[in-house]
Amino acid sequence: DAGVTQSPTHLIKTRGQQVTLRCSPKSGHDTVSWYQQALGQGPQFIFQYYEEEERQRGNFPDRFSGHQYPNYSSELNVNALLLGDSALYLCASSATFGGTDTQYFGPGTRLTVL
Amino acid sequence: GDSVTQMEGPVTLSEEAFLTINCTYTATGYPSLFWYVQYPGEGLQLLLKATKADDKGSNKGFEATYRKETTSFHLEKGSVQVSDSAVYFCALTGMNSGGYQKVTFGTGTKLQVIP
Repeated sequence: DAGVTQSPTHLIKTRGQQVTLRCSPKSGHDTVSWYQQALGQGPQFIFQYYEEEERQRGNFPDRFSGHQYPNYSSELNVNALLLGDSALYLCASSATFGGTDTQYFGPGTRLTVL
Repeated sequence: GDSVTQMEGPVTLSEEAFLTINCTYTATGYPSLFWYVQYPGEGLQLLLKATKADDKGSNKGFEATYRKETTSFHLEKGSVQVSDSAVYFCALTGMNSGGYQKVTFGTGTKLQVIP
């Protein structure tokens, strides 16, 4: 049973560019959440997708957007990149139903903005 | 809103020493509590969890007990190994105003175990 997978592993972009990160949830999970983790900090919640819609959102600007596909995989898009967007981006999946609220994390995508 | 407070690190211990990492929380309702571990360059791995008061989560020699009266979920291990060196995050799952589950993380505690 594959866990949460993310691609790419590493990415280098320049300021002003746009980036797309991808996530495939754990088998049986229908909810995907995205987090930003700056160096030395805890993960900060960006948003959560369920049934192809953004269900809740953290305190991030509209430059951060996402999408969820019918197979529950998800994308995180960041436009007009800033130096401060350099971070580890984590995807977590969970099951909305089934009596569990545990989120399982992928290995992350390391984004460097130059 | 919900919050999680962890003891600041880094924590440096000798191999086979006893480990305690303190975690306290503020939340409405009855959150589930978690410890995640992050090894260098990797994502977060679920270490253990507890879903109700007095539950004890345990895994790989680590334990934590959900103490509602003190709003705490301290992580303990009787004898640490060099391979336990990592950053440990305490977290809770609560309900936001929209009725959806929301995870709140502490800032993390870095543990370094020396031989």
